[in-house]
This record gives sequence, C-alpha cells and structure tokens, in this order.
Amino acid sequence: SAVISQKPSRDICQRGTSLTIQCQVDSQVTMMFWYRQQPGQSLTLIATANQGSEATYESGFVIDKFPISRPNLTFSTLTVSNMSPEDSSIYLCSVEGTGTEAYEQYFGPGTRLTVT
Amino acid sequence: KQEVTQIPAALSVPEGENLVLNCSFTDSAIYNLQWFRQDPGKGLTSLLLIQSSQREQTSGRLNASLDKSSGRSTLYIAASQPGDSATYLCAVTGSNYKLTFGKGTLLTVNP
Repeated sequence: SAVISQKPSRDICQRGTSLTIQCQVDSQVTMMFWYRQQPGQSLTLIATANQGSEATYESGFVIDKFPISRPNLTFSTLTVSNMSPEDSSIYLCSVEGTGTEAYEQYFGPGTRLTVT
Repeated sequence: KQEVTQIPAALSVPEGENLVLNCSFTDSAIYNLQWFRQDPGKGLTSLLLIQSSQREQTSGRLNASLDKSSGRSTLYIAASQPGDSATYLCAVTGSNYKLTFGKGTLLTVNP
C-alpha cells in the first residue's frame, strides 16, 4: 500500500485566482493520477502524471487550466488556474500500487476547494 | 466507453442487517474491480480489490464478488453497524489501465 498526503486539505478562493495542490507519497511510484469530484458526482480523471514527461490529460481537461508538475517519484502538484465557481470540487490524487498490487489505486484524503 | 452503474443510489437499513450493494459495468475487458468507501468530504479508502481472474474477495465483514462475463459485482456487508455509514464506490480498471467509477451508493445504518 501507499500513504498519500495532500495540502491544503481545504481552501476557499476567489474567482480568477489560482490554487496549487500538493500531493506527497511515502514511497516511489511511477504513475500518479489527479481526479476531480464535483458535488454529488463521482470521480473523473483529470490527468496522469509521470515523472520526467508531460502529464497526459483526459478529454475535457487542458494543461492551461490544470497545469501539473511531477518533479520526482514521490511528489506532484496540480494547479487550478483562473478559477470559477464551477471549479468547486474535491480534488484527489492517487497512485498505483506495485508488484502484486499492480493496478490497485490508493487515494489521498483530497482537497476540498470552494470558489466564491 | 466503459460505464459503471451502482444500484441502489441510496440505502437505509437498521443496525445488524446484512446488505448487498450492486455494481455493473458495460465492458468486460477489465483488469480488476475495486470497492472504495468515502466518508463525507473525505478521500477514498480502498476496501477490496478483485483481480479479473478471481471470483471473490473477503475482508472481515465484507465480501465482494465478481462475475466478469456478465459485468456484475456485489459487495456484501454482514451485520451492518452505524460506523459503516458512508458512500460506497465501485470502480473498474479497463484495458487502458484507467479507473472508471460508478456514482456510488449512499449507505445509512441506523442505530
């Protein structure tokens, strides 16, 4: 398994500003994922972040709006840029297990973002 | 495109009752299926992982089954407790190695 922490745990931001969310893992992992969970909805994958390469974004998500960094095998950041109230969501990072747990994903505690 | 459906959307039961949550998926080409628990405003806790070659997994009072060919999974919770109250999410890892989630079942166990 993996232990994942996220900062901040929650924030209230004004529209037009940006917020950077940090994700730290207690072990080295190849693949990290960022998800969004809008109110009352399930999780939607934003992008996959691999160390040493640009993130791969899912349909409907673009790098200008959600830039991602992956400087090493234990850390990643997601920035929500030029925020609007529609960006109010829980943002979660996850990592994939290794070895016998391959393709099992572990999730961080999430960052609850409210945009006013 | 993979679609995951969970039934019921919400369930309320008295303490001590056994219950079953259902999950179905449209594309049977999966690597595994995971059941997660999510408490309000929180992240996800992995409960059980079933590989595509397996039929079931058990952890304590939880038992998850998988019928890959029919695209169905069930999560059985025995002797439910108020602390089991949460949203339960089903997710499958598809051939593209990505997780697709259902919308979840909101479970309330009443004392």
